[in-house]
Amino acid sequence: TQLLEQSPQFLSIQEGENLTVYCNSSSVFSSLQWYRQEPGEGPVLLVTVVTGGEVKKLKRLTFQFGDARKDSSLHITAAQPGDTGLYLCAGEGSGGSNYKLTFGKGTLLTVNP
Amino acid sequence: NAGVTQTPKFQVLKTGQSMTLQCAQDMNHNSMYWYRQDPGMGLRLIYYSASEGTTDKGEVPNGYNVSRLNKREFSLRLESAAPSQTSVYFCASRVSRTGEAFFGQGTRLTVV
Repeated sequence: TQLLEQSPQFLSIQEGENLTVYCNSSSVFSSLQWYRQEPGEGPVLLVTVVTGGEVKKLKRLTFQFGDARKDSSLHITAAQPGDTGLYLCAGEGSGGSNYKLTFGKGTLLTVNP
Repeated sequence: NAGVTQTPKFQVLKTGQSMTLQCAQDMNHNSMYWYRQDPGMGLRLIYYSASEGTTDKGEVPNGYNVSRLNKREFSLRLESAAPSQTSVYFCASRVSRTGEAFFGQGTRLTVV
């Protein structure tokens, strides 16, 4: 079983602060994705990273894939109340685990005005 | 586009009853997935289908069965519901291995 550990589980910050959430595993992933989920809805994709060491930016969000493809981070600059939600990382294994997309437990972010 | 459609949206079952959750996608995606989401547990993979005609177990398959009826449809069956299966169930589909997973709106199931 390829486990994805996310930290922190909960994060409550003030508008304008910066934050980083982490996604770690002991397994190598062929690709890793970050999703955001709002209450009552299904998750929506933010980014996919494939190459070890890859950095992707999406406006105020910066995503990094570890060199060994076992971990990833999401950094948000100057958080806004609209960033509030559940952030989930998801990875797909290699070899016999192709297509098996598993998720971490998520980080519940609250950004207070 | 409808995307991924799940039915029903809400369901209450008595312990021991059976039911089938339906999922259909209109995006011509190859891979389809069933997840359950419980408070503090993120999304846990129940079963997945890499392509039409194949199904594989995920992390928590016990108590469930699936059928990939055709490329569009992937159903999840609970043969004898238990209170531990109270959860929100999500179906998802992807066109490729690194592609975006598109999710349905979820089915909120309560087993009493």
